[in-house]
Parts: sequence; C-alpha cells; structure tokens
Amino acid sequence: GENVEQHPSTLSVQEGDSAVIKCTYSDSASNYFPWYKQELGKGPQLIIDIRSNVGEKKDQRIAVTLNKTAKHFSLHITETQPEDSAVYFCAASNSGGYQKVTFGTGTKLQVIP
Amino acid sequence: EAGVAQSPRYKIIEKRQSVAFWCNPISGHATLYWYQQILGQGPKLLIQFQNNGVVDDSQLPKDRFSAERLKGVDSTLKIQPAKLEDSAVYLCASTLLGPEAFFGQGTRLTVV
Repeated sequence: GENVEQHPSTLSVQEGDSAVIKCTYSDSASNYFPWYKQELGKGPQLIIDIRSNVGEKKDQRIAVTLNKTAKHFSLHITETQPEDSAVYFCAASNSGGYQKVTFGTGTKLQVIP
Repeated sequence: EAGVAQSPRYKIIEKRQSVAFWCNPISGHATLYWYQQILGQGPKLLIQFQNNGVVDDSQLPKDRFSAERLKGVDSTLKIQPAKLEDSAVYLCASTLLGPEAFFGQGTRLTVV
C-alpha cells in the first residue's frame, strides 16, 4: 500500500519568514496530493491540493510543488503569520475507482510573533 | 452550506465498555469515511462507504469495531469492547464527486 513520509515533525519560524514542509510517497499510482491544516480541537481542513498533471500550484501565500519522478511534494508558506500556527498534514491518493487517502504523520508549525 | 456534523465531541469510558459515534455528512455527499487519529499521528482510515455500501474496511478491527450507514446518509461507528489503545480522535469525512474531503470536528475518546 501507499506510504507517505513527512518532514519535519516540528517547525518554528519567525513571523514573516517562509516555511517549507516536505513529503514523499511510495505508490506511483497516486495522482492527487492534498494538504490539510488542523487547528487544536478541530478536524483537518483542506488548504490546497495538486494533481499529478501539474508541477506547481499557488493560492495567495501558500504553494505546493510536485516532483512525480522523485515522488516528492512540498508545501510552501510565505510571509507566515501567527494564525498559520497549526499541524499540517500531507496526503496522497489515487483518484481511480474509489479514492484511498493516506496521510503523513504531520508537521507542527509554530509561527513566533 | 452546513459542514460534517459529529457527536459527541468528547467521551470517556472504561475499558471493556461500549461506545458509539455518530456522523452526518454534508448533504449530497455520497462517500463517507471514518478515520482514527491517535495523538501525534496522521488520520488512519478505518472504513469507507459509498452511499450505504462498504468500499474499504481493510483497516477496521472487525472483532471490536463496527460501522453502518443506513439509507446512505448518517453513519455510526461502534466500539465494543473498548481497549485502552482505542483512545484517539475519531474523525468523519465526506466527499461529493472528487477526492476533496471535508472533515468534521471529531470525537475525542478516552478509554480509562
């Protein structure tokens, strides 16, 4: 089955700096890669996603890149703000038939004001 | 648009007791998932429904966990009997057509 590894497990940055979280996946059949933000006491919330036919996607201060050959994908947050502090999860999924989503282990991001 | 609703938010039970969680997905979402999230880990899929049929329950500990989705809408997840290692947050999620999943707030279960 799919295996998703995520690094780092914790990340502290100064407000205004950039944050990068990296993930690798094992199943070459995976073609959909969402990123979720989970705040304390809440369920994960989809913040951005990328499909395997695209190399990069941006949405305001967040961007995701995908390297299919290396099976790597990354989340980039620029101009970080205190409200970006949360746990971020990457995930990998196949979109054929019934989607099965495998999550990474999470990155706790702390933005220091 | 209302989100995924789950209840209860918190539950504390003794080991060997039983417990049930309820989920109401977003209206019209045919696919429903139950995930187990142990503290410090990512969500792990327990069971996936497409309408009222089970698509994947390969990681559901069937000797103690059961789930149903009557009429293809609401779903319940039951644990009987509970073990200490079942302490976790149980998340329900739903999707419409694509893989974009919407999660509920979860039920935090503590087994003592």
